[in-house]
Amino acid sequence: GAVVSQHPSRVICKSGTSVKIECRSLDFQATTMFWYRQFPKQSLMLMATSNEGSKATYEQGVEKDKFLINHASLTLSTLTVTSAHPEDSSFYICSAPFGRTTDTQYFGPGTRLTVL
Amino acid sequence: AQTVTQSQPEMSVQEAETVTLSCTYDTSESDYYLFWYKQPPSRQMILVIRQEAYKQQNATENRFSVNFQKAAKSFSLKISDSQLGDAAMYFCAYRSDQYSGGGADGLTFGKGTHLIIQP
Repeated sequence: GAVVSQHPSRVICKSGTSVKIECRSLDFQATTMFWYRQFPKQSLMLMATSNEGSKATYEQGVEKDKFLINHASLTLSTLTVTSAHPEDSSFYICSAPFGRTTDTQYFGPGTRLTVL
Repeated sequence: AQTVTQSQPEMSVQEAETVTLSCTYDTSESDYYLFWYKQPPSRQMILVIRQEAYKQQNATENRFSVNFQKAAKSFSLKISDSQLGDAAMYFCAYRSDQYSGGGADGLTFGKGTHLIIQP
């Protein structure tokens, strides 16, 4: 149990276009999911909390209009990077809590975004 | 805000030996969870071990164990009988337990320790 998938695994896009990344919990339901960003050789930084049926909660410094999050169902959250620029190039990872007390997060395999 | 500090950017250990990775954190909360995650070159984050702050007993998972010192805000990971497959980045992470029902808070990560296993 506790498998989280992400799609796509890699994406290359032109500057100014939008890119959508999907995060799915495959064998459990998640009312909350989390999106992280990881630059090369750095740690994971929490970007936002995705809440099923309500607005996402963004961390300080994260642009809400650039990183649109939609938690459409109990198994799917999407992150859309709008008007992408080269500085948005990064590794994006989602996670979902699972377990008796839902205290442990399980991570997707990540999506590498390259903006040309 | 909570902070997590991993002071060892890189550690090296001989295969079959024991290595300890250090982690300290800063928080004003009394209830929280601590985790060690492993990130191999594939970049998939893999849970290694978790610890509830209210438990005094140190968590263990096979060859992995922690030394949790709540008063000192220290949470080190010990890997016994190191294996080549243990080579990876190891991240210490903190999660608040301020909300009932759990799952409401994301993780705060340390900068990571790159563990090298020498054959």
